[in-house]
Amino acid sequence: SQQGEEDPQALSIQEGENATMNCSYKTSINNLQWYRQNSGRGLVHLILIRSNEREKHSGRLRVTLDTSKKSSSLLITASRAADTASYFCATVNNAGNMLTFGGGTRLMVKP
Amino acid sequence: GAGVSQSPSNKVTEKGKDVELRCDPISGHTALYWYRQSLGQGLEFLIYFQGNSAPDKSGLPSDRFSAERTGGSVSTLTIQRTQQEDSAVYLCASSWGTSRNEQYFGPGTRLTVT
Repeated sequence: SQQGEEDPQALSIQEGENATMNCSYKTSINNLQWYRQNSGRGLVHLILIRSNEREKHSGRLRVTLDTSKKSSSLLITASRAADTASYFCATVNNAGNMLTFGGGTRLMVKP
Repeated sequence: GAGVSQSPSNKVTEKGKDVELRCDPISGHTALYWYRQSLGQGLEFLIYFQGNSAPDKSGLPSDRFSAERTGGSVSTLTIQRTQQEDSAVYLCASSWGTSRNEQYFGPGTRLTVT
């Protein structure tokens, strides 16, 4: 069963706009990670936020985590056509032995 | 250094045949994972190897699926008597230590069962 659920499932924006994707999960976590996938092949790790962190930045990426609401968001600022991909959140359980992926958000950035 | 590699990149097989998928993790990574991704879907966890410990096989969908990790490095995922519903992309990942750390993914093997 899926731990993380992304919202929206698909998002289409113009280049230069910001893209926000949300992820909700059900059980306690050690950390939450965001990954990007191009063309249905390998995933690339983007950012990891630990359960005791509330916000993290990496370049044009900003991730927030609200453990009380069991939710996270990924913000991509000043989007580019090259950001077009599927984005997945994944949660790590407290035992650290399970990484569970959500269904993903398909982002399309139009030039 | 080299990333995670998988072979073959594509595999077409007839229903009922056995297939073996290979994963070469990043050197030194103690943890190795197998996932399955059906078209347009999220990743489904299959199996997790951590060092010399017994693997976590809780995600394997049936007893037709098995995996080995020899010498703490290369892993092989075997699917016996393949069915059409086994068609998917099979992704391998490795990481330092436990899954608390980021995972590095291979390019995947696209399996098509005809």
